[in-house]
Amino acid sequence: SQKIEQNSEALNIQEGKTATLTCNYTNYSPAYLQWYRQDPGRGPVFLLLIRENEKEKRKERLKVTFDTTLKQSLFHITASQPADSATYLCALDLTGGGNKLTFGTGTQLKVEL
Amino acid sequence: DAGVIQSPRHEVTEMGQEVTLRCKPISGHDYLFWYRQTMMRGLELLIYFNNNVPIDDSGMPEDRFSAKMPNASFSTLKIQPSEPRDSAVYFCASSGTSGEGDTQYFGPGTRLTVL
Repeated sequence: SQKIEQNSEALNIQEGKTATLTCNYTNYSPAYLQWYRQDPGRGPVFLLLIRENEKEKRKERLKVTFDTTLKQSLFHITASQPADSATYLCALDLTGGGNKLTFGTGTQLKVEL
Repeated sequence: DAGVIQSPRHEVTEMGQEVTLRCKPISGHDYLFWYRQTMMRGLELLIYFNNNVPIDDSGMPEDRFSAKMPNASFSTLKIQPSEPRDSAVYFCASSGTSGEGDTQYFGPGTRLTVL
């Protein structure tokens, strides 16, 4: 069955370092992939969208890559700050219909001083 | 815009009772989504609407769950009768166009506890 996998273990890094989160998917080639941030007690907030014909996308300190051969997306936060601590979710439309997103379980990031 | 509005923010009820969750999407958005989030299963799509019409309800767990969207500015998710396993955070989200990959804007969620 179609699946989205994110590292379920929390990622702890030191302030100033680059955080790298992974999203792997199986059995489908989505036209795009989205990344969301979720803080405790709040709904997810959209960060970035990358399309299948884009290898890389950047927004301020964020960078997303999309390798459709490996069926993997990497999400990087450079010069990480304690305020970046949150859970990060990747999401794909696994049906091809354009609007029905399936979310990964998320990876919790903790940036320590 | 105030964003997606959900009510109530917290609901505690007893098993067997009817629960109604409410959502007001962002004005002008034509897609509305209902999700459920638990530690075990993560964020799951229950149902989504386009222009007030249900498009896909394959994620609705059982007949005890129903959702309506009587107009463009209001939707409800009803659970009748509720069970302890329904305890979760329920999110409503909306998106703005009919194009592929549109950003979804989430509400703050309703935390439901069924005793």
